[in-house]
Amino acid sequence: NAGVTQTPKFQVLKTGQSMTLQCAQDMNHEYMSWYRQDPGMGLRLIHYSVGAGITDQGEVPNGYNVSRSTTEDFPLRLLSAAPSQTSVYFCASSYSTRGYEQYFGPGTRLTVT
Amino acid sequence: TQLLEQSPQFLSIQEGENLTVYCNSSSVFSSLQWYRQEPGEGPVLLVTVVTGGEVKKLKRLTFQFGDARKDSSLHITAAQPGDTGLYLCAGDNNDMRFGAGTRLTVKP
Repeated sequence: NAGVTQTPKFQVLKTGQSMTLQCAQDMNHEYMSWYRQDPGMGLRLIHYSVGAGITDQGEVPNGYNVSRSTTEDFPLRLLSAAPSQTSVYFCASSYSTRGYEQYFGPGTRLTVT
Repeated sequence: TQLLEQSPQFLSIQEGENLTVYCNSSSVFSSLQWYRQEPGEGPVLLVTVVTGGEVKKLKRLTFQFGDARKDSSLHITAAQPGDTGLYLCAGDNNDMRFGAGTRLTVKP
């Protein structure tokens, strides 16, 4: 099993550009989530999904969109990149949200200039 | 403000020393997890605690969940350089919320 994969590993965007961060898991997990990690802030939840076709907002959803058309994939879209979105983004999956282990991808380091 | 407050933010100790890091909140959690993260990688789960007052041991690491399920601690005995990393706690409060972490450095 590959676990949770994320692409790209690194990305540089200009202010106003849009892009999609890809996330896929091969563990048949129902729950998937996106976090951003900033120095001194820990991991903050952006959006999450409890199954295909179902998404919900987390702590910091503004400026991001998600969709969950399949169990395996959970892409994160930046609509119009801003310097405040410079961060490291992690995708995670788990069997369920209730106390189950979250498996994290290797992260995407995004810089917006 | 963070839902989960972790302390200390940074900790630098010598090999062989003992240490305790804390994770505190005013909210009650149905479960609490501890993760360890190394540079350039995603966090990896160490333990999940579910019951108030629960104590779990993982080799030299001891985790405790507070009786009221609002706080937790991680104690490391005889720390080793391989314990160096960012320790994160995460609480289940309808969705998973993380603390800012404790960055531990163990010097040989």
